[in-house]
Amino acid sequence: KAGVTQTPRYLIKTRGQQVTLSCSPISGHRSVSWYQQTPGQGLQFLFEYFSETQRNKGNFPGRFSGRQFSNSRSEMNVSTLELGDSALYLCASSLLGVNTEAFFGQGTRLTVV
Amino acid sequence: GQNIDQPTEMTATEGAIVQINCTYQTSGFNGLFWYQQHAGEAPTFLSYNVLDGLEEKGRFSSFLSRSKGYSYLLLKELQMKDSASYLCAVLPGFQKLVFGTGTRLLVSP
Repeated sequence: KAGVTQTPRYLIKTRGQQVTLSCSPISGHRSVSWYQQTPGQGLQFLFEYFSETQRNKGNFPGRFSGRQFSNSRSEMNVSTLELGDSALYLCASSLLGVNTEAFFGQGTRLTVV
Repeated sequence: GQNIDQPTEMTATEGAIVQINCTYQTSGFNGLFWYQQHAGEAPTFLSYNVLDGLEEKGRFSSFLSRSKGYSYLLLKELQMKDSASYLCAVLPGFQKLVFGTGTRLLVSP
């Protein structure tokens, strides 16, 4: 079966701009989680969606938002980009939630200049 | 708060055995995961422990002691392809994984 697909793979944006990242989970998976990965901080949880509802949110500012569509595809948006937002953004899909095996996408590498 | 500690870097020789430790202090506990991540790639699932004891899966084993807030990942018969980062993650609730910063393992010939 197809894995988790994240688009785009690479992105360069300017400070102050906004960006939208997309994640298509494995078919049949209803839970999508988003993480930010930086060298110093490791993976930091952003939010988790299940059946179009946000069930949990990490400690990120309101500039970070997300949504999930009825087909379980998810998007995350970052507005008013800052240099510190440069990171690898990973999405993970699982059948029912993170207490089941989660499959990660390849990630979107965002560089803010 | 949530705190997960693991060594930053380890080195080992091909064919050897290495143990990567992870200690955690979290507000709740519903399981501990180990993931492997090669440079530039997505993390891949290795193991999940929710009860105390050892889980063996081929060359990889994972151990958990809930009373000590401690887990380890044991890799046997190391191969060059095992050079990667190993991420320990705890599930304090049911929707949010908390990750350690990862242990970079370098396997040399």
